[in-house]
Amino acid sequence: DQQVKQNSPSLSVQEGRISILNCDYTNSMFDYFLWYKKYPAEGPTFLISISSIKDKNEDGRFTVFLNKSAKHLSLHIVPSQPGDSAVYFCAASAGGTSYGKLTFGQGTILTVHP
Amino acid sequence: DGGITQSPKYLFRKEGQNVTLSCEQNLNHDAMYWYRQDPGQGLRLIYYSQIVNDFQKGDIAEGYSVSREKKESFPLTVTSAQKNPTAFYLCACSLDQGSGNPIYFGEGSWLTVV
Repeated sequence: DQQVKQNSPSLSVQEGRISILNCDYTNSMFDYFLWYKKYPAEGPTFLISISSIKDKNEDGRFTVFLNKSAKHLSLHIVPSQPGDSAVYFCAASAGGTSYGKLTFGQGTILTVHP
Repeated sequence: DGGITQSPKYLFRKEGQNVTLSCEQNLNHDAMYWYRQDPGQGLRLIYYSQIVNDFQKGDIAEGYSVSREKKESFPLTVTSAQKNPTAFYLCACSLDQGSGNPIYFGEGSWLTVV
């Protein structure tokens, strides 16, 4: 039972354009969402998070949007840079003592072409 | 230099052997976690610990054991009972398990059964 799904295994974008990475979830108890960036054989790097009380959170070139009714979140990267090429994971956690227990999607490979 | 340190980076195990992966953090974080990543998949939670001398099973705890004798250390033992131990193992920590506290990951350890 995949509670967090990233349906696009890969995404290719031209440098300078917008990258949009999508994530869907099924568990209505999830109320905290995170995006991580990962290079091969390295640990994931935290990018940005959003609480369910918000629908948007920005940090520099990264913006996360949350649509609770659709159980959908997306990560926008503007402008995209070649250094953004990596695997991007979305993750979610539920409230209470479960906050630290993250459920991850399968990941989306982003390739930004110069 | 604050962070999470995992060792060894690469480890080979013979069938039937137990091996222990080390995880140390100097961030003074309360909560620590062990995740496993298999090729082409997201991360799955093995064990987590909210405080010293306390830990809980995650989604795939069978064949693994942990201890949390010190706040900064959370070693993972992969026992011979783990049927498919070859994977990339990630240790992580967070300030506590409250909302709004991202989880930060170490660099990972590759375990291969030979």
